[in-house]
Amino acid sequence: RKEVEQDPGPFNVPEGATVAFNCTYSNSASQSFFWYRQDCRKEPKLLMSVYSSGNEDGRFTAQLNRASQYISLLIRDSKLSDSATYLCVGPSGSARQLTFGSGTQLTVLP
Amino acid sequence: EAGVVQSPRYKIIEKKQPVAFWCNPISGHNTLYWYRQNLGQGPELLIRYENEEAVDDSQLPKDRFSAERLKGVDSTLKIQPAELGDSAVYLCASSLDRQGDYGYTFGSGTRLTVV
Repeated sequence: RKEVEQDPGPFNVPEGATVAFNCTYSNSASQSFFWYRQDCRKEPKLLMSVYSSGNEDGRFTAQLNRASQYISLLIRDSKLSDSATYLCVGPSGSARQLTFGSGTQLTVLP
Repeated sequence: EAGVVQSPRYKIIEKKQPVAFWCNPISGHNTLYWYRQNLGQGPELLIRYENEEAVDDSQLPKDRFSAERLKGVDSTLKIQPAELGDSAVYLCASSLDRQGDYGYTFGSGTRLTVV
């Protein structure tokens, strides 16, 4: 089993829609979680850190559910510019480092 | 402030040839990572440095891959000889702390094509 797993999508949503991604992790002792955004043929860029209490930044909300071992990303009022791949990041079980999920592809349609 | 700088951006080589990638991390970031990203996948760690010490190279294919980080700043990743399956994007990242608790900053990557 992968340490961090994501639904690969693709998610195709209309502009203005609300979309949510989940990501499960296997290392229950994890402390650090992140969401990265990656545009086509570009490098991943940090979108948000994920805290136990949740984290909101404008239209984006990230939450951590330790009991069920998943993190989520909610995007409200989707914009065309939100189209990208969203990578979930959590700690590796074997070492003090971060492991990336395979990414979830989002396309926001006009 | 300059971000993580990588070169070259693109590289096309024939199989069995050597290739090297270079990375200059963000100033003050002591932890440096090399990742490989295949199409449709997330980045996978190859090696992690804390200053000049390689603290995790368990995923580095040591028969053909090597890396170094002299003086704890710039780093190079080398493949010799390259194989067709090495075609991927090689990403360098750096972080302020050892665990990456504040996330990583990635360079723009080197897209390697082995023909």
